[in-house]
Amino acid sequence: AQRVTQPEKLLSVFKGAPVELKCNYSYSGSPELFWYVQYSRQRLQLLLRHISRESIKGFTADLNKGETSFHLKKPFAQEEDSAMYYCALASRQGGKLIFGQGTELSVKP
Amino acid sequence: DTEVTQTPKHLVMGMTNKKSLKCEQHMGHRAMYWYKQKAKKPPELMFVYSYEKLSINESVPSRFSPECPNSSLLNLHLHALQPEDSALYLCASSQDRTGISYGYTFGSGTRLTVV
Repeated sequence: AQRVTQPEKLLSVFKGAPVELKCNYSYSGSPELFWYVQYSRQRLQLLLRHISRESIKGFTADLNKGETSFHLKKPFAQEEDSAMYYCALASRQGGKLIFGQGTELSVKP
Repeated sequence: DTEVTQTPKHLVMGMTNKKSLKCEQHMGHRAMYWYKQKAKKPPELMFVYSYEKLSINESVPSRFSPECPNSSLLNLHLHALQPEDSALYLCASSQDRTGISYGYTFGSGTRLTVV
């Protein structure tokens, strides 16, 4: 079964603290994984693709096939990082994106 | 143009009304999608169009009727909706169904309230 699990509904950290949003997946084959971010009252935006191994807004994510994980990390959280974060898996069966339940990140001053 | 544009942004409709949501993109994407999103929940896939043909219908009730008049436009026709259908309706596009390595581009959504 294809599934994405984000175990934390809410993650609260102080400004300047490191942050890690967890994502685990279940997929047979080579997965294509993404992180999307949704700021309050804004559209879903693509934050990262594992395939490009990029760093956006200080966030990075590494695919760990052994642990079937794609955790999102940032060394120093900023207040403007407060948002809902969704991990997503691309299913080649129909080209669907399968989303995790989301983690709400709250960065306190 | 690198955006997906959705209209209207807000819609209030009665349970006997007929209305339509519109989505437009000019990125040359050949796959377009309708998602439904409830507050603080992930988007749920409703329909997938590939090269203007319906390829996936995720068992959506017939009161939702999609239409893809051309490669740039996607409509969602609504009729006899229920209050539980109130949600944010998102349109998205991708290069094609297999070119999803680049991810989807989402519109800002239509916030629908059924009264």
